[in-house]
Amino acid sequence: SQQGEEDPQALSIQEGENATMNCSYKTSINNLQWYRQNSGRGLVHLILIRSNEREKHSGRLRVTLDTSKKSSSLLITASRAADTASYFCATGTSGGYQKVTFGIGTKLQVIP
Amino acid sequence: GAGVSQSPSNKVTEKGKDVELRCDPISGHTALYWYRQSLGQGLEFLIYFQGNSAPDKSGLPSDRFSAERTGGSVSTLTIQRTQQEDSAVYLCASSSDTLSYEQYFGPGTRLTVT
Repeated sequence: SQQGEEDPQALSIQEGENATMNCSYKTSINNLQWYRQNSGRGLVHLILIRSNEREKHSGRLRVTLDTSKKSSSLLITASRAADTASYFCATGTSGGYQKVTFGIGTKLQVIP
Repeated sequence: GAGVSQSPSNKVTEKGKDVELRCDPISGHTALYWYRQSLGQGLEFLIYFQGNSAPDKSGLPSDRFSAERTGGSVSTLTIQRTQQEDSAVYLCASSSDTLSYEQYFGPGTRLTVT
């Protein structure tokens, strides 16, 4: 079963605009990660935020985490055509090993 | 350094045939994961390896699916008597150890069962 659910499932914006994607999850987590996937192939790790953190930045990426609402958001500022991809949130829990569970993803299209 | 590699990149097989998919993780990574991604869907966890053992096989959808890992490195996912619903992209990922959450993904194998 999917732990995280991204919202929206698809997003289309103009180059230069900001893109915001949301993720909701159901159970307690140790951390939450965001991954990017181009063309339906391998995923690339973008950023990890721990459960005791509220906000984290990496370049044009900003991630927030609200554990009381069991939700996270990924903001991509000043989007570029190259940001066109699917974005997945993944929740990390402990259960003998660091199990990561992926959501269904948000498909982002950045129009040049 | 070299990333995670998978082979073949594409595989077309007839229904009922067996297939083997291979994953070469990053050297030194002890944890290895297999996922399946159907068209337009998220990642479905299949199996987790720590070294050569598989403490979590809970995601394998049926007994037609099996996986092994040898020498703490290469892993093979085998699907016996393939069905059309097995068509998907099979992704392998590795991480440095059980305490590391960040996973490094291979490019995947696209399996098509006709």
